[in-house]
Amino acid sequence: GAGVSQSPRYKVAKRGQDVALRCDPISGHVSLFWYQQALGQGPEFLTYFQNEAQLDKSGLPSDRFFAERPEGSVSTLKIQRTQQEDSAVYLCASSLRRGSYEQYFGPGTRLTVT
Amino acid sequence: SQQGEEDPQALSIQEGENATMNCSYKTSINNLQWYRQNSGRGLVHLILIRSNEREKHSGRLRVTLDTSKKSSSLLITASRAADTASYFCATVNSGNTPLVFGKGTRLSVIA
Repeated sequence: GAGVSQSPRYKVAKRGQDVALRCDPISGHVSLFWYQQALGQGPEFLTYFQNEAQLDKSGLPSDRFFAERPEGSVSTLKIQRTQQEDSAVYLCASSLRRGSYEQYFGPGTRLTVT
Repeated sequence: SQQGEEDPQALSIQEGENATMNCSYKTSINNLQWYRQNSGRGLVHLILIRSNEREKHSGRLRVTLDTSKKSSSLLITASRAADTASYFCATVNSGNTPLVFGKGTRLSVIA
């Protein structure tokens, strides 16, 4: 079956541009997570949705980061006025149940800010 | 911030050998999970062990958990070149909190 998909796979943005990253979770999965992974590091939590409700956004590094999941399926992570330190791989994961049990990850979007 | 710390950071072994990776964490947990990440790809869930479990097996994988020492180990037996990847432990503090990952162990299996 189809796994988690993310688009675009690669994005190059000039500093100051806005970007939008899309995540299509596995159909029927209740929970959706966004993580940021810097080069050579483990993923770090950004935000978590249960259906359309954003239950935790404590990991978002600044108010330039915004995520939504309006219909409880597809999610978009938006970064406004990108900075060089935003360069990273952004991973999306979904989980069948509420909470952090087995998570299924997408391939990620590699964002490079020049 | 990252809770888990994997050890070693990098490991290189010959095909057929066993690989052992360790993970230490700081706070109490609900469960601990191990994930694999191939270069440039997403993470793949390998195994989950609950805080009341001490050992778990899945195929060539064996995971142990010592909550008194706040540590876990992942053993891959009879390694294959295809096992070359980064391996991450991730902890969950309670049912509705996100995964907290370590920095990972880069495993290279040489054919």
